Amino acid sequence: GESVGLHLPTLSVQEGDNSIINCAYSNSASDYFIWYKQESGKGPQFIIDIRSNMDKRQGQRVTVLLNKTVKHLSLQIAATQPGDSAVYFCSRSGSARQLTFGSGTQLTVLP
Amino acid sequence: EAQVTQNPRYLITVTGKKLTVTCSQNMNHEYMSWYRQDPGLGLRQIYYSMNVEVTDKGDVPEGYKVSRKEKRNFPLILESPSPNQTSLYFCASSLSDRNEQFFGPGTRLTVL
Repeated sequence: GESVGLHLPTLSVQEGDNSIINCAYSNSASDYFIWYKQESGKGPQFIIDIRSNMDKRQGQRVTVLLNKTVKHLSLQIAATQPGDSAVYFCSRSGSARQLTFGSGTQLTVLP
Repeated sequence: EAQVTQNPRYLITVTGKKLTVTCSQNMNHEYMSWYRQDPGLGLRQIYYSMNVEVTDKGDVPEGYKVSRKEKRNFPLILESPSPNQTSLYFCASSLSDRNEQFFGPGTRLTVL
């Protein structure tokens, strides 16, 4: 079956460093990927998305890279701040019309 | 303010007692969805709705029902709750299944 998953359940980075959170997927029919951030006690919030006809997209302090050859997606956060501490999920939307989430990576920002 | 609301936010109930968790959005979104979130398992889709009167099963539909009689509301019904349905539930909506979703604040359900 198709799946979306995250490589590491936890990631700790020093404040000010860059963070890289990874995600792998198995379904080539996926045409749209989304990264969400979930802070403690809250619902997930949209961060950034990328269509399958792109390989890179940048937002404010965040960049998403899509490597369709190896079916890999990454979220890069520049100059990580304490407010970035959260669980990060990747999600895919494709022809199945169902949205699948990985299990999440807990990012902890160390002072 | 554009938002997705869920009620109740917290609920403790007993096995077999029917319950409904309401979900409402004020963004005129067509797509709505319910998820449960369990430790180590991430978010799993229960049911989704592409539009009014159009619903379909997600990954874990057993034990749940939904309805979509109006565009703004998408209630989740547990006819006979069991302890394995103890979880954190999220409702979400989006313009379509190919847009980012807006999530509600979550409903923490405990079934004793």
